[in-house]
Amino acid sequence: QLQLQESGSGLVKPSQTLSLTCAVSGGSISSGGYSWSWIRQPPGKGLEWIGYIYHSGSTYYNPSLKSRVTISVDRSKNQFSLKLSSVTAADTAVYYCARETYGDYAFFDYWGQGTLVTVSS
Amino acid sequence: DIQMTQSPSSLSASVGDRVTITCRASQSISSYLNWYQQKPGKAPKLLIYAASSLQSGVPSRFSGSGSGTDFTLTISSLQPEDFATYYCQQSYSTLLTFGQGTRLEIK
Repeated sequence: QLQLQESGSGLVKPSQTLSLTCAVSGGSISSGGYSWSWIRQPPGKGLEWIGYIYHSGSTYYNPSLKSRVTISVDRSKNQFSLKLSSVTAADTAVYYCARETYGDYAFFDYWGQGTLVTVSS
Repeated sequence: DIQMTQSPSSLSASVGDRVTITCRASQSISSYLNWYQQKPGKAPKLLIYAASSLQSGVPSRFSGSGSGTDFTLTISSLQPEDFATYYCQQSYSTLLTFGQGTRLEIK
């Protein structure tokens, strides 16, 4: 059974960089047919897709965040990471990592439990 | 961006009721539409993919239909564990987007 687990700082100061890691167990992050995403949810609000990295290492980011986002993969540790720079209070949210299975169709079939990141001085 | 609009935003229903939630895309997305269920404090859970395919392990009382711009999620007979928030999501565009959610509450 695939499992994803987010980790990282739960409190980030304004203008600093948010850093999170998603550890994947029960499967290889290098397997074809999958991409690995970050999705966030501000308190009491809906879901916003941040971006993904393919098993090949190529990335795609939400244009609304693109200038501040970097997603990278560490195959040796079977994990992928998110960095979001120049954060403000608007970046306060629960951050989820998720696997997207793609083929004829694409969907998020495995999710981490989420981690709350608060931006505050 | 492809905008996803769900209706209603909230819904009150009773155990045993048949419930339908609608999702409309701002442009045609063929059948590239997924549905998720989210309970408080939990991650979303995939229910339906490709508009009408039931994810493994999801009860058969959940069903999805539609194509193009208009989609529906139907719960045939509400169970107590179904009270949650439901989101649609399109995977037609590289920029993935979600609907704003429909909160299903107990009447």
